[in-house]
This record gives sequence, structure tokens and C-alpha cells, in this order.
Amino acid sequence: GENVEQHPSTLSVQEGDSAVIKCTYSDSASNYFPWYKQELGKRPQLIIDIRSNVGEKKDQRIAVTLNKTAKHFSLHITETQPEDSAVYFCAASKGDDKIIFGKGTRLHILP
Amino acid sequence: EAGVTQSPTHLIKTRGQQATLRCSPISGHTSVYWYQQALGLGLQFLLWYDEGEERNRGNFPPRFSGRQFPNYSSELNVNALELEDSALYLCASSQETGGTDTQYFGPGTRLTVL
Repeated sequence: GENVEQHPSTLSVQEGDSAVIKCTYSDSASNYFPWYKQELGKRPQLIIDIRSNVGEKKDQRIAVTLNKTAKHFSLHITETQPEDSAVYFCAASKGDDKIIFGKGTRLHILP
Repeated sequence: EAGVTQSPTHLIKTRGQQATLRCSPISGHTSVYWYQQALGLGLQFLLWYDEGEERNRGNFPPRFSGRQFPNYSSELNVNALELEDSALYLCASSQETGGTDTQYFGPGTRLTVL
């Protein structure tokens, strides 16, 4: 079955700097890659997603890149702000199948 | 539009008891997913229901079971509770079936097994 590896498990960046979180997946048939953000004590919420027919997608300060050949995808957050502090989960799915989540990255934005 | 709701918010049980958790999806959503989130860990897929049928389940023992009702709400049952079942149980719903649609999560039920 699908396996999703996420790195790093913890990331600390200075406010204003960029943060990058990387994920790899095992099933080459996976075609949908969402990213969820979970703030402390709150529910996970989708922040951006990408499908396999696209290599990059951007939404303001957040971007996701996908390399299908290498089976990895990354989340990029630029100009980080205190409210970006949270746990971020990547995930992978294919068609009519369940989503498999990575183990999460705890992002700390340092003042 | 009301979001996904779950009840109860907190549930305290003792080892060996049974727990029942409930989830109401967003109106119009037919797929419901259950996840277990143990402290400090990620989201472990438990069960997926669509149109009243179990579509897939994760690597959990049979004492984790559930069902989906005609109104698409869902129930998760955990029998013979063990200490390691203590976790946050999240329910999510999506409009389209399958894993390629946005999942909207509920606030979760915090289950504590003593």
C-alpha cells in the first residue's frame, strides 16, 4: 500500500524566512497531494493541494511543488509569520482510495 | 454552512469498556472518514464510509468498527478498550467519494482510557 514519508519532524525558522517541508510517496499511481495545517488544539484544515498533472501551484505565500519521477512533493512557505506556527501534514491519494497522511512537521516561527 | 460536528467532545472510559463516537458530516457530503491521532503522532486512517457502506479500513483490529446511517452521519465503536486507544478521534467528510476530494475535519473526540 501507499506510504508517505515526511521530513523534518520539527522545523524552526526565523520570522520572515522561508520554510520547506518535504514528502515522498511510494505508490506511483497516487495523483492527489493535499497539505493540511493543524494549529494547536484545532482541527486540520486544507491549505493547498496539487494534482499529478501539475508541477507547481501557488497561493499567496504558500506553494507546493511535485516531482512525479522522483515521487516527492514539497511545501514552501515564504515570509513566514507567527500564525504559520502549526503542525503541517502532507498526504497522498489515488482515485477511489483512502488518503495516507505523513507523520507531520511541527513548524515553529521564531520572533 | 455548518461544518462537521462530533460528539461527545471528551469521553472517559476504563479498560475493557466500549466507546461510541458520533459524527455528522457537512450537509450534502456522503463520504465520512475516521482517523486516530495519538498524542504527538500523525493522522492514522481508521475507516471510510460512503453511501452507507464501508469502503476501506486501516490497519486497526476488528474491535474498531463503525457504520454510516441513511442521513450520512456515522458512528465509530471501539470495543474492549485498551490504554493505548487513548487518542483524539477525528472525523472528516467530503462531497465526492474517494481520496481526491478535500476533506473537512470535525473538532474531534478526545477519548481517554483509564
